[in-house]
Amino acid sequence: NAGVMQNPRHLVRRRGQEARLRCSPMKGHSHVYWYRQLPEEGLKFMVYLQKENIIDESGMPKERFSAEFPKEGPSILRIQQVVRGDSAAYFCASSPMGHTQYFGPGTRLTVL
Amino acid sequence: AQTVTQSQPEMSVQEAETVTLSCTYDTSESNYYLFWYKQPPSRQMILVIRQEAYKQQNATENRFSVNFQKAAKSFSLKISDSQLGDTAMYFCAFMKQPQGGSEKLVFGKGTKLTVNP
Repeated sequence: NAGVMQNPRHLVRRRGQEARLRCSPMKGHSHVYWYRQLPEEGLKFMVYLQKENIIDESGMPKERFSAEFPKEGPSILRIQQVVRGDSAAYFCASSPMGHTQYFGPGTRLTVL
Repeated sequence: AQTVTQSQPEMSVQEAETVTLSCTYDTSESNYYLFWYKQPPSRQMILVIRQEAYKQQNATENRFSVNFQKAAKSFSLKISDSQLGDTAMYFCAFMKQPQGGSEKLVFGKGTKLTVNP
């Protein structure tokens, strides 16, 4: 059973460009979460999605950030017009109904 | 809102010895889950152990065990027979009891553990 897959593992963008981060949950998992980790910090919750629904986006910045989990395909975290402060590691996790979340390897975003 | 505090930014231990990492949390919830995750230099987040608040028995996974004190809101991790591969950041995390769906994890800032040969 493959784990949570994230790609790309590393992403470099210039200020003002768009970043798209992809996450494929573990087989059988219908809950997806995105977290952000700034240098020397713990992970901070951003958004929780189920198929075609955003359940909790209380941790998402109000502007430039969006997330989706379509009926088919991976979950996407999209950051428009990136700024240097967006540089971080972005982790996706998945779970079956409730409880334990299993994490992907993360995408490290660097904004030049 | 829930908060998780890890008061030890860094710790070190000699190989084969035992070390305990501290975690306290603040919540008004009565039902919840607590987790320890490990993040080695590869940056992958790996689940170490999970505790349900309604269970009085402390969780154990091989060399890893917890001391869960619900009244004190304390959840420490004990690593026995430390190995070089245990060198990592360790994060304590809290989750409210899911109501029909799921819930987010609230993380502490982490403890950097170094196991010395």
